[in-house]
Amino acid sequence: EAGVAQSPRYKIIEKRQSVAFWCNPISGHATLYWYQQILGQGPKLLIQFQNNGVVDDSQLPKDRFSAERLKGVDSTLKIQPAKLEDSAVYLCASSLAGRINQPQHFGDGTRLSIL
Amino acid sequence: DAKTTQPPSMDCAEGRAANLPCNHSTISGNEYVYWYRQIHSQGPQYIIHGLKNNETNEMASLIITEDRKSSTLILPHATLRDTAVYYCIVRVMKTSYDKVIFGPGTSLSVIP
Repeated sequence: EAGVAQSPRYKIIEKRQSVAFWCNPISGHATLYWYQQILGQGPKLLIQFQNNGVVDDSQLPKDRFSAERLKGVDSTLKIQPAKLEDSAVYLCASSLAGRINQPQHFGDGTRLSIL
Repeated sequence: DAKTTQPPSMDCAEGRAANLPCNHSTISGNEYVYWYRQIHSQGPQYIIHGLKNNETNEMASLIITEDRKSSTLILPHATLRDTAVYYCIVRVMKTSYDKVIFGPGTSLSVIP
């Protein structure tokens, strides 16, 4: 079974520029999550999709962050404009929808550095 | 939503059992305990989960107390490759979706 794929693996941009991350979940996983992980901290949920609908975006800074999952499969997360505090690893995870007894599976993330 | 408390760091000698504790005193009856670990530069890796019974798989054992207020992850024979940050989380269903909150975890160092 192929895992969660994320790209790019690393990204360096200057502040005020824009950036986008891509995630392809495990086949058949209707629930998709985007997390932000700042160095030394646990992952923090930014947004959660079920199929192509948003079920939780309470911690997403909506003035600069956006995410979409148009066909209920792949997803993109965008930051525009980036701030220095956005330097972090952005993790994507997926799971079977509505199955709390099935684990989330994580990709290896995109490491974003803001200069 | 139930939160978890873990020690920030632990050491374990190679070949010995590593016992990682987790406190989740506010857990509710329908909330699962999950354990993940994260090795440097990788995403979190699922280890094991349970509701109220003890569980064992090829990676580890999970011991949940009878009152479900705490649990222990046991790595029976720790190796250097088990050096990682271990996260204990409580997962709950909200109407139609699940809620997960990660804490800072326990940094386990396996020492030769």
